[in-house]
Amino acid sequence: LAKTTQPISMDSYEGQEVNITCSHNNIATNDYITWYQQFPSQGPRFIIQGYKTKVTNEVASLFIPADRKSSTLSLPRVSLSDTAVYYCLVGDGGSQGNLIFGKGTKLSVKP
Amino acid sequence: GAGVSQSPRYKVAKRGQDVALRCDPISGHVSLFWYQQALGQGPEFLTYFQNEAQLDKSGLPSDRFFAERPEGSVSTLKIQRTQQEDSAVYLCATRDRANSPLHFGNGTRLTVT
Repeated sequence: LAKTTQPISMDSYEGQEVNITCSHNNIATNDYITWYQQFPSQGPRFIIQGYKTKVTNEVASLFIPADRKSSTLSLPRVSLSDTAVYYCLVGDGGSQGNLIFGKGTKLSVKP
Repeated sequence: GAGVSQSPRYKVAKRGQDVALRCDPISGHVSLFWYQQALGQGPEFLTYFQNEAQLDKSGLPSDRFFAERPEGSVSTLKIQRTQQEDSAVYLCATRDRANSPLHFGNGTRLTVT
């Protein structure tokens, strides 16, 4: 099972770009990398998913190097409402079940 | 509904009572996951269904925990003889196929007194 390691917390200011890196050294060939955002009293919410290189959507970008042993979530121009916990999840590898969450990164955005 | 629905939203149980937590998945989502989230921690995997088949229950912490999904849709997580350490948020997530993102409900917060 691919274990993930992320910084416990990060601080930023409104309008800055935030990059959160996740390490997943034993990622399997078939595994995708998915990032979720969680606000208090809510379930995690999907942000972005990728397999390799770069993926961009309307809220974030995901950078994955060629060896796929890490990934970086990039949030452009954060606002106070981006204060949340961000989780990196690596799976499926064919097993489909047992998708493991790490401890996540608590992002605090200050005015 | 458009999303995963969980009920009740909050549950208070006295130690030793049995509880049942319900998850209504998004229509057509064949995969269903249960997670337990303690305060300040990430979600911990409990069990996984594909349709009505429980394919992985390796995360269930004890034999007091039981999950079912008899018709491949609604799922129930049952906890027998609740203990204080069972206090947590229980999250349900579903998805329509392998490698697609998980869709989470807002969870049931269980407090055992």
